Amino acid sequence: GAGVSQTPSNKVTEKGKYVELRCDPISGHTALYWYRQSLGQGPEFLIYFQGTGAADDSGLPNDRFFAVRPEGSVSTLKIQRTERGDSAVYLCASSLKGTSGFYNEQFFGPGTRLTVL
Amino acid sequence: DAKTTQPPSMDCAEGRAANLPCNHSTISGNEYVYWYRQIHSQGPQYIIHGLKNNETNEMASLIITEDRKSSTLILPHATLRDTAVYYCIVRFRSGNTGKLIFGQGTTLQVKP
Repeated sequence: GAGVSQTPSNKVTEKGKYVELRCDPISGHTALYWYRQSLGQGPEFLIYFQGTGAADDSGLPNDRFFAVRPEGSVSTLKIQRTERGDSAVYLCASSLKGTSGFYNEQFFGPGTRLTVL
Repeated sequence: DAKTTQPPSMDCAEGRAANLPCNHSTISGNEYVYWYRQIHSQGPQYIIHGLKNNETNEMASLIITEDRKSSTLILPHATLRDTAVYYCIVRFRSGNTGKLIFGQGTTLQVKP
């Protein structure tokens, strides 16, 4: 079956512009995560959705970053007034959360490489 | 979540076993040990997880010490395709968030 997909694969923008990054999780996965990965570093957690609601947004660096998941499937990460420091690979992952309340393994997409000039 | 310590890099000969260590001395009783890997230009991929017993699946084996303060991921017959960054992560399996906290990982280079 299809895995997690992310669009676009690459995005180049200018400082100060607004960008939207899209994630299509695996069908039926209720949990969705966004991570950011800078060059040479491990992925850094940004936000976690369980269904439509953001259950944990403790990783969002500031109020320029916002994410939505209005119907509990596709999610969009939105970045306002982009800065050069926002340049990174943005990764999306999805997983099942079982009826026992246990989190299952996360399946990651290929990422969107964002470059802010 | 507990912090993990891994060597920054390791080499392994193709066809030999790769043994990747991880220290997690502050792990709590309900935290699991997870391993993910990231091949160049791809998203991370789940490998295996365990609580206290040794685990094996089609990809790897996970050996956890009796005091749970360290573990070893074993790739029994490493291939060139196993060249990747390997991340050891400890976290609870339930709670308010399932987020993963990645460290720097170990870059495994499998050589022919």
